[in-house]
Amino acid sequence: AQSVTQPDIHITVSEGASLELRCNYSYGATPYLFWYVQSPGQGLQLLLKYFSGDTLVQGIKGFEAEFKRSQSSFNLRKPSVHWSDAAEYFCAVAPYSSASKIIFGSGTRLSIRP
Amino acid sequence: DAGVIQSPRHEVTEMGQEVTLRCKLISGHNSLFWYRQTMMRGLELLIYFNNNVPIDDSGMPEDRFSAKMPNASFSTLKIQPSEPRDSAVYFCASSLGTEISTDTQYFGPGTRLTVL
Repeated sequence: AQSVTQPDIHITVSEGASLELRCNYSYGATPYLFWYVQSPGQGLQLLLKYFSGDTLVQGIKGFEAEFKRSQSSFNLRKPSVHWSDAAEYFCAVAPYSSASKIIFGSGTRLSIRP
Repeated sequence: DAGVIQSPRHEVTEMGQEVTLRCKLISGHNSLFWYRQTMMRGLELLIYFNNNVPIDDSGMPEDRFSAKMPNASFSTLKIQPSEPRDSAVYFCASSLGTEISTDTQYFGPGTRLTVL
């Protein structure tokens, strides 16, 4: 079955430390891949997306993600987190078709330690 | 631009009552999505429209749920009758194009529904 997995429910990192949020998918072919962020009481905002080409994708707010086909992963990274990065982060996938709906992972809640 | 606007932001109702959630798309956008977010099931797509036409409503839980787009900029999601298990945060999102998996979706702030 097609799926997207975020193995970490909750992560806490210190302000200024580096961050990596994990995402794995299970699809027959390389899907479209996304990371969204949801701040408390807000809707989701797209951070970045990967369709093809360079496997290292740059997004907004200093985030980047790397697609690794061999590991079926699309991990999100940031070199130095800020307190304002505290939020819920969702990895999402869509089968390689412009008409396919996006499937969201269960989310990883990020807390920032002062 | 004001972004996607949803109303009300919070709704508390009693079981059996009709609930109507409202969404105003970003001006010029052509696709509209309704999502539901719960702790148990995460974020689920309920229905989406392209150019006011419902394309896929396979995510709508049951006949108690209905969604409409009376015009290009406005949509409603109605639950009648409501049940406690409908308690969730309901998000509306819009996108400029009609390629649902590649066009960026812009989410509203959500409506938190509580059915007692």
